[in-house]
Amino acid sequence: QQQVKQSPQSLIVQKGGISIINCAYENTAFDYFPWYQQFPGKGPALLIAIRPDVSEKKEGRFTISFNKSAKQFSLHIMDSQPGDSATYFCAAGGYQKVTFGTGTKLQVIP
Amino acid sequence: GAVVSQHPSWVICKSGTSVKIECRSLDFQATTMFWYRQFPKQSLMLMATSNEGSKATYEQGVEKDKFLINHASLTLSTLTVTSAHPEDSSFYICSALGGSSPSKYGYTFGSGTRLTVV
Repeated sequence: QQQVKQSPQSLIVQKGGISIINCAYENTAFDYFPWYQQFPGKGPALLIAIRPDVSEKKEGRFTISFNKSAKQFSLHIMDSQPGDSATYFCAAGGYQKVTFGTGTKLQVIP
Repeated sequence: GAVVSQHPSWVICKSGTSVKIECRSLDFQATTMFWYRQFPKQSLMLMATSNEGSKATYEQGVEKDKFLINHASLTLSTLTVTSAHPEDSSFYICSALGGSSPSKYGYTFGSGTRLTVV
Protein backbone atom coordinates (compact mmCIF):
# COMPACT_ATOMS: atom_id res chain seq x y z
CA GLN A 1 0.00 0.00 0.00
CA GLN A 2 1.11 3.54 -0.63
CA GLN A 3 2.22 5.30 2.52
CA VAL A 4 0.39 8.11 4.20
CA LYS A 5 2.43 9.73 6.94
CA GLN A 6 0.58 11.37 9.81
CA SER A 7 1.80 13.53 12.68
CA PRO A 8 1.77 14.05 15.56
CA GLN A 9 1.08 10.65 17.08
CA SER A 10 -0.63 12.31 20.03
CA LEU A 11 -1.81 15.79 20.82
CA ILE A 12 -3.03 17.54 23.94
CA VAL A 13 -4.94 20.78 23.45
CA GLN A 14 -6.75 23.00 25.89
CA LYS A 15 -10.44 23.59 25.49
CA GLY A 16 -11.02 26.39 23.04
CA GLY A 17 -7.66 25.93 21.35
CA ILE A 18 -6.82 24.87 17.81
CA SER A 19 -5.87 21.28 17.09
CA ILE A 20 -3.71 20.73 14.01
CA ILE A 21 -2.92 17.34 12.50
CA ASN A 22 -0.76 16.92 9.43
CA CYS A 23 -0.52 14.29 6.73
CA ALA A 24 1.68 13.69 3.72
CA TYR A 25 1.14 11.31 0.86
CA GLU A 26 3.27 9.91 -1.95
CA ASN A 27 1.03 8.93 -4.80
CA THR A 28 0.18 11.85 -7.07
CA ALA A 29 -2.71 9.85 -8.51
CA PHE A 30 -4.62 10.08 -5.24
CA ASP A 31 -7.67 12.27 -5.62
CA TYR A 32 -9.61 11.82 -2.41
CA PHE A 33 -8.42 12.95 1.01
CA PRO A 34 -10.80 12.24 3.89
CA TRP A 35 -10.39 12.63 7.62
CA TYR A 36 -11.98 10.18 10.02
CA GLN A 37 -12.76 10.38 13.72
CA GLN A 38 -12.71 7.21 15.76
CA PHE A 39 -13.84 6.71 19.33
CA PRO A 40 -12.63 3.65 21.30
CA GLY A 41 -14.39 0.46 20.26
CA LYS A 42 -16.13 2.11 17.31
CA GLY A 43 -15.58 2.24 13.59
CA PRO A 44 -14.23 5.41 11.96
CA ALA A 45 -16.70 8.10 11.03
CA LEU A 46 -16.10 10.50 8.16
CA LEU A 47 -15.48 14.04 9.36
CA ILE A 48 -14.63 15.94 6.24
CA ALA A 49 -13.02 15.23 2.89
CA ILE A 50 -11.37 17.21 0.14
CA ARG A 51 -10.54 16.75 -3.51
CA PRO A 52 -7.25 18.05 -4.96
CA ASP A 53 -8.88 20.77 -7.02
CA VAL A 54 -9.44 22.96 -3.95
CA SER A 55 -6.95 24.21 -1.36
CA GLU A 56 -9.27 24.48 1.60
CA LYS A 57 -12.57 23.13 2.79
CA LYS A 58 -14.40 24.15 5.93
CA GLU A 59 -17.27 22.43 7.67
CA GLY A 60 -18.20 23.94 10.99
CA ARG A 61 -15.18 23.85 13.29
CA PHE A 62 -13.27 21.50 10.99
CA THR A 63 -11.09 22.74 8.14
CA ILE A 64 -8.90 20.81 5.71
CA SER A 65 -5.98 22.64 4.14
CA PHE A 66 -4.54 21.00 1.05
CA ASN A 67 -1.18 21.66 -0.61
CA LYS A 68 -1.03 19.70 -3.83
CA SER A 69 2.53 20.66 -4.78
CA ALA A 70 3.86 19.60 -1.39
CA LYS A 71 1.60 16.54 -1.27
CA GLN A 72 0.45 17.51 2.18
CA PHE A 73 -2.87 18.14 3.84
CA SER A 74 -3.91 19.02 7.35
CA LEU A 75 -6.91 19.07 9.63
CA HIS A 76 -7.60 22.07 11.82
CA ILE A 77 -10.13 21.79 14.63
CA MET A 78 -11.09 25.24 15.84
CA ASP A 79 -12.43 25.87 19.34
CA SER A 80 -11.52 22.32 20.36
CA GLN A 81 -13.88 20.72 22.87
CA PRO A 82 -13.47 17.78 25.27
CA GLY A 83 -15.97 15.89 23.10
CA ASP A 84 -13.47 16.10 20.25
CA SER A 85 -11.14 13.80 22.20
CA ALA A 86 -10.72 10.83 19.88
CA THR A 87 -8.29 9.32 17.42
CA TYR A 88 -8.15 11.03 14.05
CA PHE A 89 -7.04 9.33 10.86
CA CYS A 90 -6.24 10.97 7.59
CA ALA A 91 -6.55 8.89 4.45
CA ALA A 92 -5.69 9.25 0.82
CA GLY A 93 -6.68 7.36 -2.25
CA GLY A 94 -9.34 7.10 -4.84
CA TYR A 95 -12.57 5.42 -5.77
CA GLN A 96 -11.50 1.86 -5.09
CA LYS A 97 -9.15 2.22 -2.18
CA VAL A 98 -7.94 4.57 0.50
CA THR A 99 -4.81 4.20 2.59
CA PHE A 100 -4.98 5.36 6.19
CA GLY A 101 -2.45 7.38 8.11
CA THR A 102 -1.14 6.09 11.41
CA GLY A 103 -3.58 8.08 13.53
CA THR A 104 -3.40 10.93 16.03
CA LYS A 105 -4.81 10.59 19.49
CA LEU A 106 -6.26 13.95 20.46
CA GLN A 107 -7.01 14.85 24.04
CA VAL A 108 -8.78 18.11 24.74
CA ILE A 109 -8.44 19.13 28.36
CA PRO A 110 -10.81 21.52 30.14
CA GLY B 1 -27.87 8.82 4.93
CA ALA B 2 -25.71 5.77 4.52
CA VAL B 3 -25.66 3.21 7.30
CA VAL B 4 -23.51 0.13 7.54
CA SER B 5 -24.38 -2.45 10.16
CA GLN B 6 -21.69 -4.82 11.37
CA HIS B 7 -22.48 -7.84 13.48
CA PRO B 8 -21.50 -9.06 15.98
CA SER B 9 -19.91 -6.14 17.78
CA TRP B 10 -17.79 -8.51 19.82
CA VAL B 11 -17.17 -12.24 19.87
CA ILE B 12 -15.08 -14.62 21.91
CA CYS B 13 -14.25 -17.98 20.39
CA LYS B 14 -12.08 -20.95 21.15
CA SER B 15 -8.87 -21.55 19.28
CA GLY B 16 -9.46 -23.70 16.20
CA THR B 17 -13.04 -22.64 15.61
CA SER B 18 -14.36 -20.38 12.86
CA VAL B 19 -16.09 -17.05 13.27
CA LYS B 20 -18.29 -15.22 10.78
CA ILE B 21 -18.67 -11.45 10.77
CA GLU B 22 -21.43 -9.79 8.77
CA CYS B 23 -21.44 -6.38 7.16
CA ARG B 24 -24.70 -5.01 5.79
CA SER B 25 -25.47 -1.79 3.99
CA LEU B 26 -28.90 -0.92 5.35
CA ASP B 27 -30.16 1.80 3.07
CA PHE B 28 -28.05 1.60 -0.04
CA GLN B 29 -26.53 -0.88 -2.42
CA ALA B 30 -22.83 -1.39 -1.99
CA THR B 31 -21.10 -2.78 -5.04
CA THR B 32 -17.80 -2.71 -3.19
CA MET B 33 -17.03 -3.52 0.42
CA PHE B 34 -13.74 -3.41 2.25
CA TRP B 35 -12.47 -5.31 5.25
CA TYR B 36 -9.93 -3.80 7.60
CA ARG B 37 -8.06 -5.04 10.62
CA GLN B 38 -6.98 -2.75 13.42
CA PHE B 39 -4.60 -3.60 16.23
CA PRO B 40 -4.77 -1.62 19.48
CA LYS B 41 -3.61 1.95 19.06
CA GLN B 42 -2.74 1.33 15.43
CA SER B 43 -4.12 2.31 12.08
CA LEU B 44 -6.55 0.45 9.88
CA MET B 45 -4.92 -2.05 7.59
CA LEU B 46 -6.85 -3.04 4.50
CA MET B 47 -7.24 -6.79 4.29
CA ALA B 48 -9.34 -7.21 1.17
CA THR B 49 -11.71 -5.59 -1.25
CA SER B 50 -14.83 -7.44 -2.28
CA ASN B 51 -17.06 -6.73 -5.21
CA GLU B 52 -20.54 -8.19 -5.38
CA GLY B 53 -20.63 -11.44 -7.26
CA SER B 54 -16.90 -11.82 -7.70
CA LYS B 55 -13.91 -13.07 -5.74
CA ALA B 56 -12.36 -10.79 -3.20
CA THR B 57 -9.04 -9.12 -3.85
CA TYR B 58 -6.69 -9.64 -0.93
CA GLU B 59 -3.86 -7.37 0.09
CA GLN B 60 -0.35 -8.71 0.16
CA GLY B 61 0.31 -10.83 3.21
CA VAL B 62 -3.32 -11.61 3.97
CA GLU B 63 -4.08 -15.33 3.94
CA LYS B 64 -6.99 -15.98 1.60
CA ASP B 65 -7.75 -19.37 3.07
CA LYS B 66 -7.83 -18.03 6.60
CA PHE B 67 -9.94 -14.95 5.96
CA LEU B 68 -12.78 -16.00 3.70
CA ILE B 69 -14.79 -13.17 2.21
CA ASN B 70 -18.14 -13.56 0.53
CA HIS B 71 -20.04 -10.72 -1.10
CA ALA B 72 -23.11 -12.52 -2.29
CA SER B 73 -25.45 -9.57 -2.57
CA LEU B 74 -25.34 -5.81 -2.95
CA THR B 75 -26.10 -5.35 0.74
CA LEU B 76 -24.15 -8.11 2.47
CA SER B 77 -20.53 -9.10 2.78
CA THR B 78 -19.21 -11.62 5.27
CA LEU B 79 -15.75 -12.26 6.66
CA THR B 80 -15.10 -15.71 8.09
CA VAL B 81 -12.00 -16.21 10.19
CA THR B 82 -11.27 -19.90 9.83
CA SER B 83 -9.42 -21.99 12.39
CA ALA B 84 -8.94 -18.95 14.55
CA HIS B 85 -5.89 -18.59 16.75
CA PRO B 86 -5.05 -16.09 19.48
CA GLU B 87 -2.97 -14.03 17.05
CA ASP B 88 -6.14 -13.42 15.02
CA SER B 89 -7.58 -11.48 17.94
CA SER B 90 -8.15 -7.98 16.67
CA PHE B 91 -10.72 -5.34 15.77
CA TYR B 92 -12.20 -6.01 12.34
CA ILE B 93 -14.00 -3.22 10.50
CA CYS B 94 -15.89 -3.24 7.24
CA SER B 95 -16.73 -0.35 5.00
CA ALA B 96 -19.03 -0.05 2.05
CA LEU B 97 -18.76 2.16 -0.98
CA GLY B 98 -21.94 3.91 -1.94
CA GLY B 99 -24.79 5.64 -0.18
CA SER B 100 -26.13 9.15 -0.35
CA SER B 101 -22.80 10.93 -0.23
CA PRO B 102 -22.71 13.71 -2.82
CA SER B 103 -19.43 12.32 -3.98
CA LYS B 104 -19.01 8.93 -5.49
CA TYR B 105 -16.26 8.46 -2.94
CA GLY B 106 -18.69 7.61 -0.17
CA TYR B 107 -17.05 5.17 2.16
CA THR B 108 -19.20 4.32 5.16
CA PHE B 109 -17.77 2.26 7.98
CA GLY B 110 -19.37 -0.32 10.18
CA SER B 111 -18.98 -0.11 13.94
CA GLY B 112 -16.41 -2.87 14.06
CA THR B 113 -16.16 -6.34 15.59
CA ARG B 114 -13.84 -7.11 18.48
CA LEU B 115 -12.65 -10.72 18.06
CA THR B 116 -10.96 -12.46 20.97
CA VAL B 117 -9.65 -15.97 20.44
CA VAL B 118 -8.92 -17.89 23.61
